[in-house]
Amino acid sequence: EPEVTQTPSHQVTQMGQEVILRCVPISNHLYFYWYRQILGQKVEFLVSFYNNEISEKSEIFDDQFSVERPDGSNFTLKIRSTKLEDSAMYFCASSEWQETQYFGPGTRLLVL
Amino acid sequence: AQSVTQLGSHVSVSEGALVLLRCNYSSSVPPYLFWYVQYPNQGLQLLLKYTTGATLVKGINGFEAEFKKSETSFHLTKPSAHMSDAAEYFCAVSERSYGQNFVFGPGTRLSVLP
Repeated sequence: EPEVTQTPSHQVTQMGQEVILRCVPISNHLYFYWYRQILGQKVEFLVSFYNNEISEKSEIFDDQFSVERPDGSNFTLKIRSTKLEDSAMYFCASSEWQETQYFGPGTRLLVL
Repeated sequence: AQSVTQLGSHVSVSEGALVLLRCNYSSSVPPYLFWYVQYPNQGLQLLLKYTTGATLVKGINGFEAEFKKSETSFHLTKPSAHMSDAAEYFCAVSERSYGQNFVFGPGTRLSVLP
């Protein structure tokens, strides 16, 4: 069964450093998303992406964040200058035109 | 704006007992409703969803949920809990059929006691 994959599974970085989280959505899906889950808290929407542009973003998704689909398979989330409060599990998801989003296993980001 | 509440951040049941996890939502339009499960150190796995049609939906692992519009609820049930059901369960709502971000509830941690 097709699945969303994410790399790396864990990332440790120093505050102020740039990180890039990578996702490979399910191949025939058209919509892509990033969510985050701070430890012990609920899953929060960050951004959705369709037709090579951002379709929606939350208040969390400020200028420090960016997304890109550099080729036909990858979907990336970049955090330009990480802060301590960016420590969280980041989930990528994708969907067809239908409503169901399929989530990847997540990348756990720790900012020191 | 959509919102989701899940009554009970932690629910404990005995193995073999009924599982009931509560979810209530608010939405300005007919919602699409989902339950996801998160096992320790893993991602989110879709359990079941309601979009249109039959209000009682069946999912994987013996779970089912019933959409009750009058109560704005979408409670998750399973007749007989198994040890492997121990996980975090998230209810989510979406207001569009596609491309819409989900709003997740805070989650309910289910413990199953032997």
